[in-house]
Amino acid sequence: DTAVSQTPKYLVTQMGNDKSIKCEQNLGHDTMYWYKQDSKKFLKIMFSYNNKELIINETVPNRFSPKSPDKAHLNLHINSLELGDSAVYFCASSHGMTSGGGETQYFGPGTRLLVL
Amino acid sequence: TQLLEQSPQFLSIQEGENLTVYCNSSSVFSSLQWYRQEPGEGPVLLVTVVTGGEVKKLKRLTFQFGDARKDSSLHITAAQPGDTGLYLCAGKASGTASKLTFGTGTRLQVTL
Repeated sequence: DTAVSQTPKYLVTQMGNDKSIKCEQNLGHDTMYWYKQDSKKFLKIMFSYNNKELIINETVPNRFSPKSPDKAHLNLHINSLELGDSAVYFCASSHGMTSGGGETQYFGPGTRLLVL
Repeated sequence: TQLLEQSPQFLSIQEGENLTVYCNSSSVFSSLQWYRQEPGEGPVLLVTVVTGGEVKKLKRLTFQFGDARKDSSLHITAAQPGDTGLYLCAGKASGTASKLTFGTGTRLQVTL
């Protein structure tokens, strides 16, 4: 019973291609996230959706477009892939937005993207 | 831009030793979390601290939030090989919805 799942786990593709990564959570959470972890293991937020509404949009190239068809799914589409896009992409979810004390974010297993 | 610097970056110790990992920032956070990430997996939450000066213990792990809520530390007593992993602190600033800023990470290896 995987709480947050991502597909594919590995993605190897050529520069210039367009690819999508899918994420699903079965925790009943309202908020979902996409993070990018680079080769130095630095984890950075890219996007966040709350109930299908975009609430966090960091400085990310507009080649990256998230889509949330419902609150259990958050997909990431990447156009015109570049070498620098190679990284591990993590999806995460949490119960909802909080103003004070942090709540738990549950992470998926990651998608390892390699652009050649 | 809020930055969370962790030190040390890498730590290799033997089973039974004690260690401390530091997480420092010039920014104030309303809460601070520590995650552990094992190879090939996503980060898993260990603890959340929300009050300046707060100390929380989780078996052999002791977490402290600085009085000014700008820094935190993680102390592990009698480290075991199962403690091996990447430790990440993550801060949440007030009024930033659910956005977490992650630290630079500390890679810990515990050998027999």
